[in-house]
Amino acid sequence: GQQVMQIPQYQHVQEGEDFTTYCNSSTTLSNIQWYKQRPGGHPVFLIQLVKSGEVKKQKRLTFQFGEAKKNSSLHITATQTTDVGTYFCAGRRESNYQLIWGAGTKLIIKP
Amino acid sequence: NAGVTQTPKFRVLKTGQSMTLLCAQDMNHEYMYWYRQDPGMGLRLIHYSVGEGTTAKGEVPDGYNVSRLKKQNFLLGLESAAPSQTSVYFCASSLTTSPLHFGNGTRLTVT
Repeated sequence: GQQVMQIPQYQHVQEGEDFTTYCNSSTTLSNIQWYKQRPGGHPVFLIQLVKSGEVKKQKRLTFQFGEAKKNSSLHITATQTTDVGTYFCAGRRESNYQLIWGAGTKLIIKP
Repeated sequence: NAGVTQTPKFRVLKTGQSMTLLCAQDMNHEYMYWYRQDPGMGLRLIHYSVGEGTTAKGEVPDGYNVSRLKKQNFLLGLESAAPSQTSVYFCASSLTTSPLHFGNGTRLTVT
């Protein structure tokens, strides 16, 4: 069935290093949403991308939606301890508007 | 404005027991969802509803039933709990295809 593959599953970084997570869909998406889940918490909406090639920034976070609307990425510059958590992408199908979730990328700050 | 409220927060059941999880939202959202989240996995959709009186199966509906008698409430029932249903359950709501608002989750253990 239709999937959204998200990689990597985990990323260990030193505080101050950058972090990137990628999502790839087997089919074209109408939009893609990104969520953050802190340890022990619930997913919280970060941003939605709709247009082909769209790039949006939120402070140190940069979100991109691919030209073909099949892939997306989230890049965090100079990670901080407050960035710790799991980042999920969720793509909305063009055919029936159902939301397909990636498995998430866990950001871990090395002690 | 409470958003999405889930009760209970924690529950321990014995195999074969039944229970109902309650989700309430005060945002007048049309769509409501029940997800389960297991360690190392993303969110898997159990059932969802696109309006009062309507429900539909998600990707993992077996062993669960739902009801949406009122627009603001979405109930998830387990008729005969099994250890495989040990998980964290999240309810969410949205205005049709807009981003999801999640509740704080219910941690269920079935022994």
